[in-house]
Amino acid sequence: DIQMTQSPSSLSASVGDRVTITCRASQSISRYLNWYQQKPGTAPKLLIFAASSLQSGVPSRFSGSGSGTDFTLTISSLQPEDFASYYCQQSYSSPHSFGQGTKLEIK
Amino acid sequence: QVQLQESGPGLVKPSQTLSLTCTVSGVSISSGSYYWSWIRQPAGKGLEWIGRIYSSGSTNSNPSLKSRLTISVDTSKNQLSLKLTSVTAADTAVYYCARVAPQLEHGFDIWGQGTRVTVSS
Repeated sequence: DIQMTQSPSSLSASVGDRVTITCRASQSISRYLNWYQQKPGTAPKLLIFAASSLQSGVPSRFSGSGSGTDFTLTISSLQPEDFASYYCQQSYSSPHSFGQGTKLEIK
Repeated sequence: QVQLQESGPGLVKPSQTLSLTCTVSGVSISSGSYYWSWIRQPAGKGLEWIGRIYSSGSTNSNPSLKSRLTISVDTSKNQLSLKLTSVTAADTAVYYCARVAPQLEHGFDIWGQGTRVTVSS
């Protein structure tokens, strides 16, 4: 099974900050990497698919990059509604595992 | 628009079988354009991929659950279902069904609201 490791596990930042979250796969997954945002009490929402493609309706301040084993999610200028948890997920091979999550909190 | 709705008992006794249904509206499961998946999340913890099914009935399951898990689809009702046998407290979680979009690198593009299941006597 492929293990997905996110860092950091939690992060404090301010509105307007640029934030980067990292996801590392235990083996190469090419670009089969997706990012989700989850707010308390709600289902996750797909932000980025195929490592860097923005899902329809997602603001352009979100971007993704990487391939192979190392990936990043960047929020260019944090907005109040961005404070949430973020998960990466690999869809390269079954089981399609998730990272443990990164909780983004207001400083 | 496409909607997914999970349903099932909120409380299951240890050693019994957890049975959930996901009703899909706005798209036909039998169209063959998507996979359909189950994901769970224990309170305060991360997401766990349970498994997925295609309209043909072919499945992939998490090896950690495979011996206890059955995922099936009823195209006549446009539903998918999950059965997990011999449950323990470790199976307590919010269970989500989600649509898997091959054109989005198999990302989960539409989710149900989730249903909370507690395993307790």
